[in-house]
This record gives sequence, C-alpha cells and structure tokens, in this order.
Amino acid sequence: AQSVTQLDSQVPVFEEAPVELRCNYSSSVSVYLFWYVQYPNQGLQLLLKYLSGSTLVESINGFEAEFNKSQTSFHLRKPSVHIIDTAEYFCAVSEPLTGGGNKLTFGTGTQLKVEL
Amino acid sequence: EAGVVQSPRYKIIEKKQPVAFWCNPISGHNTLYWYLQNLGQGPELLIRYENEEAVDDSQLPKDRFSAERLKGVDSTLKIQPAELGDSAVYLCASSLAPVYEQYFGPGTRLTVT
Repeated sequence: AQSVTQLDSQVPVFEEAPVELRCNYSSSVSVYLFWYVQYPNQGLQLLLKYLSGSTLVESINGFEAEFNKSQTSFHLRKPSVHIIDTAEYFCAVSEPLTGGGNKLTFGTGTQLKVEL
Repeated sequence: EAGVVQSPRYKIIEKKQPVAFWCNPISGHNTLYWYLQNLGQGPELLIRYENEEAVDDSQLPKDRFSAERLKGVDSTLKIQPAELGDSAVYLCASSLAPVYEQYFGPGTRLTVT
C-alpha cells in the first residue's frame, strides 16, 4: 500500500525567505505525485504535479518540486515566500489500481505560516 | 467554468440525527469522489464513482453511510444516524477520468453535538 509522509506539521518563515516543505512517499509501483494547497475555509487546489518527464515541476506562483526516485521524495520549495502563501499544503501520491483507476493518498499536511 | 459545488457549507446536528451532503461536479467530469478530512489530517477517500457506478467504496462505513449518484452527475452522501466522531469536513472532488487530476469543492463542515 502506498503512503505519504510530511514530517513537518508546521513551518513558520519570514516573508521573502526561502522555504522547503518535505514530502516522502512509499509505493511499490510507479506513481504520480501532487502538491495541493488549502487556504482557510476553502477546498484543495492543485499546486503542481509530476506525471512523467522532467523531474522538476513548477507552479505559476513560484513554487517548484523535484521528484527524486532514489530518495522517494517530492519536496516543495519556493525561493521567496509572501504573506499570501500562508496555507496548508498537502502532498499526495496517486497509484494505479488493479482493474483500472488511480487511488490518491494524501499526507497529513504542512501548515505554512509566513510572518512579517 | 464553474468549479465543484457543495452544499451546505456548514451543518450542525445532534447525534443520532440524519444528515445529507450534496455535490455537483464540474460539467463533463465522469469521475466523482467523496473524501473525509479530519482536523489536522489529509483527506481520505470514502467512495469513488465512475459515472453512476460506485467502483471503490471499500472505505465507506456502510452501516451508517450511504451515497448515490443518480444519472451520473450530482451526488449525495448521507449519514444515518450521525455519531460524535463523524464531525469532520466532507470533500467532494471530480475529474475527467480516474487518471486525471482531481478538482475539489469547498467542503461541508459537519459538527455533531
């Protein structure tokens, strides 16, 4: 069975500082990897995804994540954060199911709090 | 394009009462998911529909939870009777097909007193 580990439940950081949110996964087969962001009282929004090809993927708002197969990691980074980045970030892995379809498994989330 | 719509956004009920949540997926999305999100946790899949067929309901507590997706569009998730431990956020998501990315609604926050 697949699983996702987000070791940091909370990450406080000052505005314009860099940040890394860690994500490790376990799976016995090839997977797709995702980062979702959840702002207060809102649903999850897809931030970026890795399906295949280049191991470095980027979002439109400056986040990037790198798929590292040997370390089974998919860490999320941003070189300079802003107040509006304050949110809960969830890493997720999608694994194909026997008989068709994919199952999405989420980590427990990391609360990013950007301070002035 | 409208996103996934859920109602109500908030619901407070007493234990042993029934409750229902409604979800309208993005137009054209054949796959619909219901997730449960407890405080401080990531979402956990309850049930997945392909059109009107429930293809993965292994995590749905069938003694008190039920779901339906009539005509393969809107879906309803019901709890009867509700228990204190059911207090959580219930998220609905949809995708074009199982292999594509999922789009989430804002969720329904249920409080059972």
